[in-house]
Amino acid sequence: AQSVTQLGSHVSVSEGALVLLRCNYSSSVPPYLFWYVQYPNQGLQLLLKYTTGATLVKGINGFEAEFKKSETSFHLTKPSAHMSDAAEYFCAVSANDYKLSFGAGTTVTVRA
Amino acid sequence: GAVVSQHPSRVICKSGTSVKIECRSLDFQATTMFWYRQFPKKSLMLMATSNEGSKATYEQGVEKDKFLINHASLTLSTLTVTSAHPEDSSFYICSAWTLGDYGYTFGSGTRLTVV
Repeated sequence: AQSVTQLGSHVSVSEGALVLLRCNYSSSVPPYLFWYVQYPNQGLQLLLKYTTGATLVKGINGFEAEFKKSETSFHLTKPSAHMSDAAEYFCAVSANDYKLSFGAGTTVTVRA
Repeated sequence: GAVVSQHPSRVICKSGTSVKIECRSLDFQATTMFWYRQFPKKSLMLMATSNEGSKATYEQGVEKDKFLINHASLTLSTLTVTSAHPEDSSFYICSAWTLGDYGYTFGSGTRLTVV
């Protein structure tokens, strides 16, 4: 079985500042890892994913994440926050049963 | 890219009636569809997994007789909430899984309100 822990249910950043969202996972098999963004009353949009290969993954809208097996982490970063980044972010993991397990989510607010 | 169309986006129904939610994969074949429920300010809870042409597999604690899932074709999966009650009010989201790029494509969600 796999699980995800997102540290910090709420992150507030200034516009232009670094965004850092933390995600730790547990999995008994090599995991596939995902970050999704959700705007109010909408579905989930994929930001990026790690399956195999390069551990630094670049996604859409300037986001990137690094898979660190030794730390069982997959933290999401963006160098410079924009007002449009205000949303809910979910880290998720899947293993060989293809089911996605989601973290509790992190709400990002961006201060002008 | 892959698109999953989910309808309706919002529905209000009376207690005791049934509501059907549809998810269609528009430009790809979805052999597997996942159905989630999301409570306000909460994460997604997997309700069931459906594979085309076979019975859905429900997660523990999910009433299969209340939440009927049909996946009759490779492009259409439906969730029917039967005899709905106010406690069934929630945000329901479908997700299609494709092996090719190991990706999950989410529908835009359905806000169900039972009055």
